[in-house]
Amino acid sequence: QKEVEQDPGPLSVPEGAIVSLNCTYSNSAFQYFMWYRQYSRKGPELLMYTYSSGNKEDGRFTAQVDKSSKYISLFIRDSQPSDSATYLCAMKSGGSNYKLTFGKGTLLTVNP
Amino acid sequence: NAGVTQTPKFRILKIGQSMTLQCTQDMNHNYMYWYRQDPGMGLKLIYYSVGAGITDKGEVPNGYNVSRSTTEDFPLRLELAAPSQTSVYFCASTPTPAGNEAFFGQGTRLTVV
Repeated sequence: QKEVEQDPGPLSVPEGAIVSLNCTYSNSAFQYFMWYRQYSRKGPELLMYTYSSGNKEDGRFTAQVDKSSKYISLFIRDSQPSDSATYLCAMKSGGSNYKLTFGKGTLLTVNP
Repeated sequence: NAGVTQTPKFRILKIGQSMTLQCTQDMNHNYMYWYRQDPGMGLKLIYYSVGAGITDKGEVPNGYNVSRSTTEDFPLRLELAAPSQTSVYFCASTPTPAGNEAFFGQGTRLTVV
């Protein structure tokens, strides 16, 4: 079983739709959870970062963590064509562990 | 600020050739990383560094070497390039050991033929 599983998509939605992106993980040591956005031929950029179970909201984006189920989600409300990108979940354990474990990424296209 | 700068952006190598991928950051971050990204495979950590003079292996270090003589620069060396090293390479840096917010460069797209 891979440490982090993410459906690669592709996912295509109309403008204004609510988008749900998900990752599951198997390593109970993961404590920090991140979502990165990567536009085509660019480097990833941090979108959301969460530590505890529950929801964290930032504008149109909501990150959700359920540690009991080892499941994280990213919701995008009122999706825009500019949201078209690959979304990567990433996780790490605590302490001095520097290693980020990434999901494979989900390619999202928002159609105008 | 320029952030993390990688050069070159593209390169084609022949099997057996060597090259150095350059990475420099101007944010005074101690922690720097090299990842490779293969299609549909996410990012895999090749090497990382926690400060000048200190480097360590990540998940997929074979075929690569690094050095860190200054805080700013973290070059990645490919010796005897192989087709399996065809990938997109990203350099990243973080301001803290926790490394939760990694700043990435634009990537180097390498093809080995």
